[in-house]
Amino acid sequence: GAVVSQHPSRVICKSGTSVKIECRSLDFQATTMFWYRQFPKQSLMLMATSNEGSKATYEQGVEKDKFLINHASLTLSTLTVTSAHPEDSSFYICSAGTDYNSPLHFGNGTRLTVT
Amino acid sequence: QKEVEQDPGPLSVPEGAIVSLNCTYSNSAFQYFMWYRQYSRKGPELLMYTYSSGNKEDGRFTAQVDKSSKYISLFIRDSQPSDSATYLCAMSKQGAQKLVFGQGTRLTINP
Repeated sequence: GAVVSQHPSRVICKSGTSVKIECRSLDFQATTMFWYRQFPKQSLMLMATSNEGSKATYEQGVEKDKFLINHASLTLSTLTVTSAHPEDSSFYICSAGTDYNSPLHFGNGTRLTVT
Repeated sequence: QKEVEQDPGPLSVPEGAIVSLNCTYSNSAFQYFMWYRQYSRKGPELLMYTYSSGNKEDGRFTAQVDKSSKYISLFIRDSQPSDSATYLCAMSKQGAQKLVFGQGTRLTINP
């Protein structure tokens, strides 16, 4: 149980375009999902907390207008990287838990390359 | 100073060895402690989950939490080449939701 699916696994886009990444909880409902970013050989850095039916909460230093998060249902959160630039190239990973006291399960990540 | 410190390694051991991984932390408010395993180009996979202090065992894996020393450990017995991965410790203050990760230790088990 507690499977988190992320799509696409890999995307290449041109500078200036927007990219949408989907995160789904397959066998449970998640009122809260989390989006992380990971650079090569580095740990995961929390970008934002996605709340179903309300605005996302962004960590300090993360541009909310650049990284748009929508959590329209209890099983789906999306992250849209707007006007992508090469420095946005990274590994983006979402996570969710079955309830507040349960550990987070992670998707398999999306590798974004901006050319 | 980082909230969570973890030696990035790399750590290389022979197959069958006992592996010891650890993290230290500075914030005594952390109550939930987790270990994740991450293979290259994949998302982290939950290995162990502990609330507060104590030990927890699951097959070849044992997690220990010493809140008085702000120190957590993961032991892997009878290590296998398939255990080669990056191991991340993670912890949170309230609930097991908003996690703070260690840097991750890259482990290689040599056949």
